[in-house]
Amino acid sequence: AQSVTQPDIHITVSEGASLELRCNYSYGATPYLFWYVQSPGQGLQLLLKYFSGDTLVQGIKGFEAEFKRSQSSFNLRKPSVHWSDAAEYFCAVVYTNAGKSTFGDGTTLTVKP
Amino acid sequence: DTGVSQNPRHKITKRGQNVTFRCDPISEHNRLYWYRQTLGQGPEFLTYFQNEAQLEKSRLLSDRFSAERPKGSFSTLEIQRTEQGDSAMYLCASSPTLAGGKYNEQFFGPGTRLTVL
Repeated sequence: AQSVTQPDIHITVSEGASLELRCNYSYGATPYLFWYVQSPGQGLQLLLKYFSGDTLVQGIKGFEAEFKRSQSSFNLRKPSVHWSDAAEYFCAVVYTNAGKSTFGDGTTLTVKP
Repeated sequence: DTGVSQNPRHKITKRGQNVTFRCDPISEHNRLYWYRQTLGQGPEFLTYFQNEAQLEKSRLLSDRFSAERPKGSFSTLEIQRTEQGDSAMYLCASSPTLAGGKYNEQFFGPGTRLTVL
């Protein structure tokens, strides 16, 4: 069965520090890959996506992610975190053109002043 | 604002009551998805529509749940005889279809938070 693992339930970083959120997916085929951010009580905002091509993708708000096929990973990075980045982050995969998304359980980011 | 809208944003109901949620997708998006998100979890797929046709339903969608998209525009999700376990955020998303049926990204609405007492 398709699954997405976000190993870190909660991460705390200091403002200005770098950030890496991990995401691994199961299943053999290469899926479409996404990172979303969710603030409390809100819907999901797309940060970036990977469909094909260059394995390093740039997104909004200074985020980037790198697809590594050999590791079945799609980790999210940001070089310098801002207090406003505190939120919950979800990795998601889509395997078919039907578009059904499978999400990880999320990583909650806390930013220390 | 031309994003996905959902109504109501919050719904509190008593166990055993029926509830209905509405989703208005982005205009001309022919795909519409419903997800359920419980506390501490990622969203879980419930069902999706291509125009007015419901093409896939998750096992999570018990016979108390029904979704419709009668004219291929807005969609409704009804839960009959609500249970406390139905308490969750219900998210709707829409997506255009690229040429050749290729998938494109989904745009999410703000969600409807259901509390069953």
